[in-house]
Amino acid sequence: DAGVTQSPTHLIKTRGQQVTLRCSPKSGHDTVSWYQQALGQGPQFIFQYYEEEERQRGNFPDRFSGHQFPNYSSELNVNALLLGDSALYLCASRLWAAMGNEQFFGPGTRLTVL
Amino acid sequence: SQKIEQNSEALNIQEGKTATLTCNYTNYSPAYLQWYRQDPGRGPVFLLLIRENEKEKRKERLKVTFDTTLKQSLFHITASQPADSATYLCALVRGTGNQFYFGTGTSLTVIP
Repeated sequence: DAGVTQSPTHLIKTRGQQVTLRCSPKSGHDTVSWYQQALGQGPQFIFQYYEEEERQRGNFPDRFSGHQFPNYSSELNVNALLLGDSALYLCASRLWAAMGNEQFFGPGTRLTVL
Repeated sequence: SQKIEQNSEALNIQEGKTATLTCNYTNYSPAYLQWYRQDPGRGPVFLLLIRENEKEKRKERLKVTFDTTLKQSLFHITASQPADSATYLCALVRGTGNQFYFGTGTSLTVIP
């Protein structure tokens, strides 16, 4: 049973560029959330997708956008990259109906903005 | 917005002792509180969940308590082992179950 997978593992971009990160949820899961984790900090919630719609959004600017596909996989897009966007981006999946239950996290994508 | 504070300092304990980590929150009480373990360069891994109407939960060497009056959760690891060394995160889940708020984490080192 494959867990949550993310790609790429590492990414280096320059300021002003755009980036797309990808996530495949754990088998059987229908809900995907994205988090940004700066060094030494806890994960910060970006947004959550269910049934191909953004259901909740954290305190992130519109430069951060996402998408969920019919197979439940998801993408995170960040436009006009800033140095402060450098972080570990985590994807987590769960079952929508199992509210409050554990999320399964992927290994993350390490984004470096130069 | 919800503010979550965990032990601000890293925690170092001797092998075999009990490690106690704290998670304090402000504002509204969550419906659920979860604890995760995170190793360097890896995603968090779920450990335990406790609901607002529960006082205590146990799983093997782990114990979580939840005091909604104090707005605090305590996470205990008994008979600690070097393999328990990691960062531990608490996460609050609102009643809708749609959004998770994470604390900053506490780094635990168990010294052989």
